[in-house]
Amino acid sequence: SQQGEEDPQALSIQEGENATMNCSYKTSINNLQWYRQNSGRGLVHLILIRSNEREKHSGRLRVTLDTSKKSSSLLITASRAADTASYFCATDAIDTGNQFYFGTGTSLTVIP
Amino acid sequence: GAVVSQHPSWVICKSGTSVKIECRSLDFQATTMFWYRQFPKQSLMLMATSNEGSKATYEQGVEKDKFLINHASLTLSTLTVTSAHPEDSSFYICSVVRGQVSTDTQYFGPGTRLTVL
Repeated sequence: SQQGEEDPQALSIQEGENATMNCSYKTSINNLQWYRQNSGRGLVHLILIRSNEREKHSGRLRVTLDTSKKSSSLLITASRAADTASYFCATDAIDTGNQFYFGTGTSLTVIP
Repeated sequence: GAVVSQHPSWVICKSGTSVKIECRSLDFQATTMFWYRQFPKQSLMLMATSNEGSKATYEQGVEKDKFLINHASLTLSTLTVTSAHPEDSSFYICSVVRGQVSTDTQYFGPGTRLTVL
């Protein structure tokens, strides 16, 4: 299946440190998106990066995309306790049309 | 403000009953809505693609007679879990996309937590 994998599965850091999460996927894509999910809540869209883009920034977030390696990374700089959540990457898949697949997720804990 | 709403946010039901979950697109008309299921501490799994005016497209392994989807209008899709059993207990999330998945942001509802006793 297209479902991606994320690495690490869990990450625990001190407040103020940077957090890096990686996502790998299997087939060609049009875009890749990152989402955040607080425990038991819905998803919050963070950033969308298109297949022809290599890097994108939004506030303290930096996303990179390497289509040759079929991977993406999400960097959160100067982390805060409020960043504690699960982070998912999600991709469409060119050969399956209008469908959307999620990675396995990274659980981030930021210790105050 | 919210782009997508879901109702109810939490439902508890007895085994054997049917539960209907509504998903509404608040900001724009959505010809396509998606339904996902998420078990505790796991990722979202796409269940089906809901198309307005036509039958839903179900992912492999998802029983279409068990999870009935009706996309009655451009702003409303419903998911009915028929004859629910405890193993159907999960977090159900819908999403809408303004244009195409390949080019546009997908907006997610807040989710519905289903607990089947």
